[in-house]
Amino acid sequence: SQKIEQNSEALNIQEGKTATLTCNYTNYSPAYLQWYRQDPGRGPVFLLLIRENEKEKRKERLKVTFDTTLKQSLFHITASQPADSATYLCALGPGGGNKLTFGTGTQLKVEL
Amino acid sequence: ETGVTQTPRHLVMGMTNKKSLKCEQHLGHNAMYWYKQSAKKPLELMFVYSLEERFENNSVPSRFSPECPNSSHLFLHLHTLQPEDSALYLCASSRLSGTGGGDTQYFGPGTRLTVL
Repeated sequence: SQKIEQNSEALNIQEGKTATLTCNYTNYSPAYLQWYRQDPGRGPVFLLLIRENEKEKRKERLKVTFDTTLKQSLFHITASQPADSATYLCALGPGGGNKLTFGTGTQLKVEL
Repeated sequence: ETGVTQTPRHLVMGMTNKKSLKCEQHLGHNAMYWYKQSAKKPLELMFVYSLEERFENNSVPSRFSPECPNSSHLFLHLHTLQPEDSALYLCASSRLSGTGGGDTQYFGPGTRLTVL
């Protein structure tokens, strides 16, 4: 069955550093991968989409890579700020559809 | 959070009750979704309603019954639930772009359900 793994432990980093979150998957060939941010008590918010034929995507301080050979995506937040503290979810989707399969998420805490 | 609204935000019910969760999207989207989020578990897609498809996750028990009267409203009818159904129920919507999937999903704040 499909399996998506994200850093199970919370990630604590210092303000200004780059946070790197991983998303590994098995038994799946997704057509695209999305990253979402979720704050406590709120629904997820979409951040970035990367398709299987793309290696890297950037948006402001965010960068995502997608390696279909390694079956892995890396999500980077550069110059991190305390406001970036949240849980980050990766989600994989099939070609032509929107039925997402989510990982359990990684909790990021950016400390002063 | 005015894009996708959910009511109620919190619900406590007994196992013999019948209740309904309501979701409304104000974004002009044409697809709506129900997800279940339990502690320490990934979001689980329960149902999808769109112009192109109606999807029901086979692992969802029949005590959960969706209803989508139009493209802006989605309901989740609950009856004879079990304590393990306690979770955060999230609604989402998207605009089908026809570009091969990956359309951004906009989530509501969720309904925190507790089954006693």
